[in-house]
Amino acid sequence: GIQVEQSPPDLILQEGANSTLRCNFSDSVNNLQWFHQNPWGQLINLFYIPSGTKQNGRLSATTVATERYSLLYISSSQTTDSGVYFCAYGGATNKLIFGTGTLLAVQP
Amino acid sequence: NAGVMQNPRHLVRRRGQEARLRCSPMKGHSHVYWYRQLPEEGLKFMVYLQKENIIDESGMPKERFSAEFPKEGPSILRIQQVVRGDSAAYFCASSPQYQQGLKGYTFGSGTRLTVV
Repeated sequence: GIQVEQSPPDLILQEGANSTLRCNFSDSVNNLQWFHQNPWGQLINLFYIPSGTKQNGRLSATTVATERYSLLYISSSQTTDSGVYFCAYGGATNKLIFGTGTLLAVQP
Repeated sequence: NAGVMQNPRHLVRRRGQEARLRCSPMKGHSHVYWYRQLPEEGLKFMVYLQKENIIDESGMPKERFSAEFPKEGPSILRIQQVVRGDSAAYFCASSPQYQQGLKGYTFGSGTRLTVV
């Protein structure tokens, strides 16, 4: 089956630091989304990015479909950025395959 | 736009009881998806439905689990004779028509089921 791997599995940052999260996938991509699950369990859609680069405030994402990876950049991190970041891969069907997530803790 | 609404937010059931989880999609969305998140794990696809049709149930356990999305009313995920291993967060998502579906994939806040 299709593999979706995320790294690092966990990350501790001081407030204000930058970070890069990576998502590798094993097949051609039609859909790639990044989600943030906050400490209360809510799942927030950050980016729909099957290819190219997008930016939203302090967050940006890049997907290189030909090399089968996506990156999520967090700049000037804040404590509210804490939680789990998931990438989710979509192939030929409408269902998403989630990676195992990166647990981020931002310390004040 | 109220977003994807799930209820209840928390549900406690004793072993052997039935659990019913409800999902009302976003206005204008005709596709509904259910995902399950076991403790300390990522989300796993369960089932994909359109109104009155099950499109893909490849992630549904073979027994005790069923899902429907009737012509009127919310989508229902039903778990019969619950066991402790069913304890998880169940998320619903919705999207508009298939060709636009992948861009409009919006998740609800989830239902946290605890089986005691």
